[in-house]
Amino acid sequence: GEDVEQSLFLSVREGDSSVINCTYTDSSSTYLYWYKQEPGAGLQLLTYIFSNMDMKQDQRLTVLLNKKDKHLSLRIADTQTGDSAIYFCAEGGPDSNYQLIWGAGTKLIIKP
Amino acid sequence: NAGVTQTPKFRILKIGQSMTLQCTQDMNHNYMYWYRQDPGMGLKLIYYSVGAGITDKGEVPNGYNVSRSTTEDFPLRLELAAPSQTSVYFCASTLGRVLQETQYFGPGTRLLVL
Repeated sequence: GEDVEQSLFLSVREGDSSVINCTYTDSSSTYLYWYKQEPGAGLQLLTYIFSNMDMKQDQRLTVLLNKKDKHLSLRIADTQTGDSAIYFCAEGGPDSNYQLIWGAGTKLIIKP
Repeated sequence: NAGVTQTPKFRILKIGQSMTLQCTQDMNHNYMYWYRQDPGMGLKLIYYSVGAGITDKGEVPNGYNVSRSTTEDFPLRLELAAPSQTSVYFCASTLGRVLQETQYFGPGTRLLVL
């Protein structure tokens, strides 16, 4: 079946940029998502990108999509302590009426 | 607007016991979902519902049951709990089909079966 993979941990210094990576196998993916989970809370949609886009920018967040390599990344500029969370990558294709394929989540650790 | 709420937050069960995980949303969403998340794994869909009275199996439905008698509530029932059901359970909802909608998640229920 289709799969989404992410590294489980990323550690960065406060003020640096964080880059969280995700690879997927579904060549028919049309939507790719980043969700954020803060401690004790549910997942919240952070941003998403359509498969016909290469890049999407939203304030400190930049999403890059390389369809050829099936690689998605989330860059957080000027990382702050409030960015500490688990970041989930997910993808869906034309048949994804009810189910996305989810990665395991990357825990972002901020060092002072 | 509370969004999606889940109870309990944490529960320990003995093997063979049963329990119901509660999920309620106040956004008048049609679609609701139950996921489980095991350590180091992505979310897996257990059951979903496209409206009151309609439920269907997801990827990992064995050992679980659901009902959807109202738009707001989507309880998940575990019968005969097994250690393999130790996991974190998330309930979510969307207004329409998942591909084009934001999923709203509850805070999760951590279940330990001993």
